[in-house]
Amino acid sequence: DAGVIQSPRHEVTEMGQEVTLRCKPISGHNSLFWYRQTMMRGLELLIYFNNNVPIDDSGMPEDRFSAKMPNASFSTLKIQPSEPRDSAVYFCASSLALQYQETQYFGPGTRLLVL
Amino acid sequence: TQLLEQSPQFLSIQEGENLTVYCNSSSVFSSLQWYRQEPGEGPVLLVTVVTGGEVKKLKRLTFQFGDARKDSSLHITAAQPGDTGLYLCAGGSSNTGKLIFGQGTTLQVKP
Repeated sequence: DAGVIQSPRHEVTEMGQEVTLRCKPISGHNSLFWYRQTMMRGLELLIYFNNNVPIDDSGMPEDRFSAKMPNASFSTLKIQPSEPRDSAVYFCASSLALQYQETQYFGPGTRLLVL
Repeated sequence: TQLLEQSPQFLSIQEGENLTVYCNSSSVFSSLQWYRQEPGEGPVLLVTVVTGGEVKKLKRLTFQFGDARKDSSLHITAAQPGDTGLYLCAGGSSNTGKLIFGQGTTLQVKP
């Protein structure tokens, strides 16, 4: 079975441009998480969904960030406008349920570089 | 705010040596998970512990959850170059279902 799929794998853009990251969770998983990883701050939870509904977006750094999950098989994370400090690896993860002991399955990540 | 502190942040050892990585918090967690991440990939779950004092073994890796469920340790016996990677601990909350990740420990095992 396919794991979590993320696209693009790499993105290089200029400051001020809109960036859209995409994620397809594992089929049958009800919870989806967006993380950002940097050397300085480690792995940070940005937002998570349960049954396509956003549960907690308190980790979203600013209004420039937005996330949607229009259906159970697709989610997007959008940055508009992008800034150099947004450069990071963005991970999407999914789990069967929103339970503290559930395994989160991570995608390969999108490496974003904002110039 | 729940925080998890991992130590050490970096560890470089020779093949065959033993090591322990620590994950500490002032908060109680419902579960503690350990993930391993290789360069260019996402983290992959190694183990989940949910009971205070619980010990789990995975080949040469031994995981322990503290009695008070505030801390955890990962011990690797006779480390091998294949163990090289970033080790992340993550605390789970029964209230929210989300995970709080530690900063990670970068392990390098030299042949």
